[in-house]
Amino acid sequence: EAQVTQNPRYLITVTGKKLTVTCSQNMNHEYMSWYRQDPGLGLRQIYYSMNVEVTDKGDVPEGYKVSRKEKRNFPLILESPSPNQTSLYFCASSRTAIHSYEQYFGPGTRLTVT
Amino acid sequence: AQSVTQLDSHVSVSEGTPVLLRCNYSSSYSPSLFWYVQHPNKGLQLLLKYTSAATLVKGINGFEAEFKKSETSFHLTKPSAHMSDAAEYFCVVSGVTAAGNKLTFGGGTRVLVKP
Repeated sequence: EAQVTQNPRYLITVTGKKLTVTCSQNMNHEYMSWYRQDPGLGLRQIYYSMNVEVTDKGDVPEGYKVSRKEKRNFPLILESPSPNQTSLYFCASSRTAIHSYEQYFGPGTRLTVT
Repeated sequence: AQSVTQLDSHVSVSEGTPVLLRCNYSSSYSPSLFWYVQHPNKGLQLLLKYTSAATLVKGINGFEAEFKKSETSFHLTKPSAHMSDAAEYFCVVSGVTAAGNKLTFGGGTRVLVKP
């Protein structure tokens, strides 16, 4: 089944404790992206990757890191999480970065930072 | 720059009555437009998309949307609401910007369907 998977689905952590949220897609997609969803703000892009080894900042990159060493994986790293990073996070992938292609979303990761 | 405005944060309809979700956009280029639906505790699912072909776009589950360039709108409609339509809906514009290809989401419209 074609899908985007994320782990963990739920995470409660404390301020400053480094964490990684994994994202993997099995559709051989070039383009991958991370979003955070906050009430009333829709989804905002954190980082995106056009292809392997090429990543760039989205609208809200502060406090996050990413890497794209393999085509299928695009982990999101919070080096020192803070309470304002409490949010619902989605990973997405698309065949390419051409804007007419739809994005496929993972199930989401709900992160709480205390 | 590009932006999306969903004009209603909440819409309440009775089962069997029409649904209208309004979306206005701005874009410096010819964009692609999408509607996604998010059911509670689920990821986002594509309902339909417009990519410069027919201006009336049909999607899944009886939804359709009309692209009106003169009004910069992309409203989503369904003739008869079903209880399973209760969800949050996002209008999305995807276009080319100075920073490359970019996806911009509206703030979402939460739909409540009353029996």
